Amino acid sequence: AQKITQTQPGMFVQEKEAVTLDCTYDTSDPSYGLFWYKQPSSGEMIFLIYQGSYDQQNATEGRYSLNFQKARKSANLVISASQLGDSAMYFCAMRDTTSGTYKYIFGTGTRLKVLA
Amino acid sequence: GAGVSQTPSNKVTEKGKYVELRCDPISGHTALYWYRQSLGQGPEFLIYFQGTGAADDSGLPNDRFFAVRPEGSVSTLKIQRTERGDSAVYLCASSLTGGGNSPLHFGNGTRLTVT
Repeated sequence: AQKITQTQPGMFVQEKEAVTLDCTYDTSDPSYGLFWYKQPSSGEMIFLIYQGSYDQQNATEGRYSLNFQKARKSANLVISASQLGDSAMYFCAMRDTTSGTYKYIFGTGTRLKVLA
Repeated sequence: GAGVSQTPSNKVTEKGKYVELRCDPISGHTALYWYRQSLGQGPEFLIYFQGTGAADDSGLPNDRFFAVRPEGSVSTLKIQRTERGDSAVYLCASSLTGGGNSPLHFGNGTRLTVT
């Protein structure tokens, strides 16, 4: 079965610094996609960025970028120039393409705290 | 445009009662998902609809849980004979097609508390 692993339960970063949140995945499917979501304390899940397994370049969206290392099966989220509003839970997810299923599976998340 | 809407935002019920949670997806989105999130955990898949049909209900924990989407838009998650262990935030999400690179758009969730 496919699996998402986030090994950092919590991270701290100083405002205006960059931070990397780790995500590793396990799949035997050659075609897959990886997603990152942000969940502030208010509870809503916000889609941040997507990386496809066949994409030639690492995805970027504003201050968010993905450090995608396919051979290592990792898709780490990099947040540049951290802001206080970046404090939230961050979840890595991928679509489970196991035969007969269509669900997106999520990691356990990383809680990021940006320090002033 | 309007995002995914979930009602109620909070629901407190007594053990053994029946509850219904409603989800109104983004207009035009054919795929609809229900997830459950316990405190400090990632979302846990419950069921996925493509149009009116449940394409994957493998995440429903038992037969007390049921969901419908009769017209391919609004969906209702129904829980019978609620138990204290059902307490969680129930998240609904929709996506344009349900395809591999189609991100999920989530509602704000319904916090269910079973006393």
